Amino acid sequence: KQEVTQIPAALSVPEGENLVLNCSFTDSAIYNLQWFRQDPGKGLTSLLLIQSSQREQTSGRLNASLDKSSGRSTLYIAASQPGDSATYLCAVSPARVSGTYKYIFGTGTRLKVLA
Amino acid sequence: ETGVTQTPRHLVMGMTNKKSLKCEQHLGHNAMYWYKQSAKKPLELMFVYSLEERVENNSVPSRFSPECPNSSHLFLHLHTLQPEDSALYLCASSQDLSRSSYEQYFGPGTRLTVT
Repeated sequence: KQEVTQIPAALSVPEGENLVLNCSFTDSAIYNLQWFRQDPGKGLTSLLLIQSSQREQTSGRLNASLDKSSGRSTLYIAASQPGDSATYLCAVSPARVSGTYKYIFGTGTRLKVLA
Repeated sequence: ETGVTQTPRHLVMGMTNKKSLKCEQHLGHNAMYWYKQSAKKPLELMFVYSLEERVENNSVPSRFSPECPNSSHLFLHLHTLQPEDSALYLCASSQDLSRSSYEQYFGPGTRLTVT
């Protein structure tokens, strides 16, 4: 059964620091992995989607990498800003179940960037 | 602001009440989803609709009843809920359920409190 873990559960950093959020999954058979951002009490905003054949995706100050064989993904945030404060969720689409829409989510990393 | 809207944003209801959550997507998508997000738990997929047909019912109790009258609208009818049903209910949509289009777009959610 696919499980997704995100460590740490919470993280505080000073503004301007580069940081890495981690996501691990137990079954390397995935179709894709997606990183989301969630602001308190709000819905999810998709940040980056990495297909299983890709190694990384970039959008602005964000870079997500995928190492399928080791079951790991990282989200790198460069030059963090207070506006980056949110919960970051990782989700994988497992290949061993029918329905590629069946994302398995982690519990997230709550990030606080201090001004 | 995303192309997926949800109403109401907050709802408090007693265990004997009947209420409905509404979701509308303005993205021309063919698939819609209901998720439940409880505190400190990963998002749980509840229901999936594709072209107004339910394709997934993820062992959800019958006190939750979904309805999809057309591809732009999705409802979640609630009756005789329990306090443990208190959670953030998120609606999402995607272009369809094919392998070529995974990305899901989320609404802001309805914060439900059952008293």
